[in-house]
Amino acid sequence: GAGVSQSPSNKVTEKGKDVELRCDPISGHTALYWYRQRLGQGLEFLIYFQGNSAPDKSGLPSDRFSAERTGESVSTLTIQRTQQEDSAVYLCASSRTWDEQYFGPGTRLTVT
Amino acid sequence: GQNIDQPTEMTATEGAIVQINCTYQTSGFNGLFWYQQHAGEAPTFLSYNVLDGLEEKGRFSSFLSRSKGYSYLLLKELQMKDSASYLCAVNTGFQKLVFGTGTRLLVSP
Repeated sequence: GAGVSQSPSNKVTEKGKDVELRCDPISGHTALYWYRQRLGQGLEFLIYFQGNSAPDKSGLPSDRFSAERTGESVSTLTIQRTQQEDSAVYLCASSRTWDEQYFGPGTRLTVT
Repeated sequence: GQNIDQPTEMTATEGAIVQINCTYQTSGFNGLFWYQQHAGEAPTFLSYNVLDGLEEKGRFSSFLSRSKGYSYLLLKELQMKDSASYLCAVNTGFQKLVFGTGTRLLVSP
């Protein structure tokens, strides 16, 4: 079956613009995660969705960041008024329950 | 807070054995994962330990000691394609993974 997909694969935007990143999880996976990975750094947890429960937003770095998920399907991560420090690879992952997370290929965001 | 420590970089030669250590201090513990990440690619799952002891999977093995807050990933019969970053991640509960910064492994001929 298909893996986790993300779009776009690359995004270059000007400082101050808004961007929207999309993640399609593996069908049947109830949990969905967003991570940020800056160049040469580890993964930084942003937000976690589990079914219809309220999302865990504890990793979002500022109120410019928000994410939505409809049921157990697609999720979008929105960054408003982008800043240069937002430049990173944004990774989405999904899992069935508490086990192995499957990662998408990521979206490389560059803010100029 | 959450703290996961790994060496930044390691080097080894083809055919050798290498051990990558990970120590953790987290507010909760519900299992430890190892992921492999090649440059420019997404992480891929290698192993999961929730009980103490050694889990073996082919050339890769992972060990966990919960009392010591310590894990290692053992790679045997190293191949050039094993050159990658190896990420240690702790499930701190409620399915939240906290990742270390990763260990970059360079395998030379």
